Amino acid sequence: NAGVTQTPKFQVLKTGQSMTLQCAQDMNHEYMSWYRQDPGMGLRLIHYSVGAGITDQGEVPNGYNVSRSTTEDFPLRLLSAAPSQTSVYFCASSYSGGRANYGYTFGSGTRLTVV
Amino acid sequence: DAKTTQPNSMESNEEEPVHLPCNHSTISGTDYIHWYRQLPSQGPEYVIHGLTSNVNNRMASLAIAEDRKSSTLILHRATLRDAAVYYCILRDASGTYKYIFGTGTRLKVLA
Repeated sequence: NAGVTQTPKFQVLKTGQSMTLQCAQDMNHEYMSWYRQDPGMGLRLIHYSVGAGITDQGEVPNGYNVSRSTTEDFPLRLLSAAPSQTSVYFCASSYSGGRANYGYTFGSGTRLTVV
Repeated sequence: DAKTTQPNSMESNEEEPVHLPCNHSTISGTDYIHWYRQLPSQGPEYVIHGLTSNVNNRMASLAIAEDRKSSTLILHRATLRDAAVYYCILRDASGTYKYIFGTGTRLKVLA
């Protein structure tokens, strides 16, 4: 069981470039989400998905796109990178529906720097 | 979304118990109380959760006030490896999936 796998672990982008952060889970979790964590700050929710084909916005969705074509994968796309998107990005997954008594499993993060 | 309030930081001596408080005065009847911790340079990890009753597991205990407006995470014997940021979060069982983190409590454990 690999849990939640994020790739890449580190990435440097130039302003204006686009890229996709990958997230995959092998626990058959319906719920997946993306967070960003700026230095010294808590986690802020970017986008989330309650199942394949269903996505919704979190607290800070601007500049990011997501899709959920399979249960296992939930990629995060940066459309045109900006220095303000320099952050550590975490993907998380969980059982969904009424099973709020289950916790989240987090990936180890992607450290992104935009120059 | 219901909000939680935690102290920014706390200190504890090694081998002593630690009580980390969380206020959630706007909690609804369907909200579960979850706790996570984030070790340096790692993603958050699940610690414990509860609804109404106090809960124990191998990592910690969770004490929930009778009115559910506050809770306390209890580490029975703090170790240096427990130094982390601890987050208290409410998870809605009624169908809202926004899982909002606050800024958490940074726990420093003194040797």
